[in-house]
Amino acid sequence: GAGVSQSPSNKVTEKGKDVELRCDPISGHTALYWYRQRLGQGLEFLIYFQGNSAPDKSGLPSDRFSAERTGESVSTLTIQRTQQEDSAVYLCASSNWYEQYFGPGTRLTVT
Amino acid sequence: GESVGLHLPTLSVQEGDNSIINCAYSNSASDYFIWYKQESGKGPQFIIDIRSNMDKRQGQRVTVLLNKTVKHLSLQIAATQPGDSAVYFCAENIGGTGGFKTIFGAGTRLFVKA
Repeated sequence: GAGVSQSPSNKVTEKGKDVELRCDPISGHTALYWYRQRLGQGLEFLIYFQGNSAPDKSGLPSDRFSAERTGESVSTLTIQRTQQEDSAVYLCASSNWYEQYFGPGTRLTVT
Repeated sequence: GESVGLHLPTLSVQEGDNSIINCAYSNSASDYFIWYKQESGKGPQFIIDIRSNMDKRQGQRVTVLLNKTVKHLSLQIAATQPGDSAVYFCAENIGGTGGFKTIFGAGTRLFVKA
């Protein structure tokens, strides 16, 4: 079946602009995660959605970052007033249990 | 899950040798562990898992060892191949009524020399 998809695959934006990154999880998965991965580094947790529970936003680095999820489907990560330090690959994962299924990521470059 | 923003430690091995990648986990209540492999330009993918009531589990060319006493996890890859070159992450998981909490390790980059 279809895996996790993310769009766009690449995004180049100017400093100060807002960006929206989209994640389509595997159908039926109740949990959805967003991570940031800087070049050559590990996974930095951003936010976690589980069913209808309040999301765990403890990893969001600043109030410029926000995320929404519609029910148990699509999620959007929004970064406002982008900074060069936001340049990274943003990974989305979904799961129904412990194992997380990752999308290919969106590479964000802020110029 | 959280992971520190440090550059990844690197392990370099000769093709055909065995590789051992180590991971220290943080929470003694973690009850399920997963190793993920991340190839260049892709998201991490599941390799092998182990429950906390086990100390060893084997897959195809991979073995995971769990030492709960010292909170240590290792991934052994037999007869390492160039296709094994990737970044490897361990993940500890804690289940609960509020869902699952996952903490990823910092990752290790494996280079396989031909």
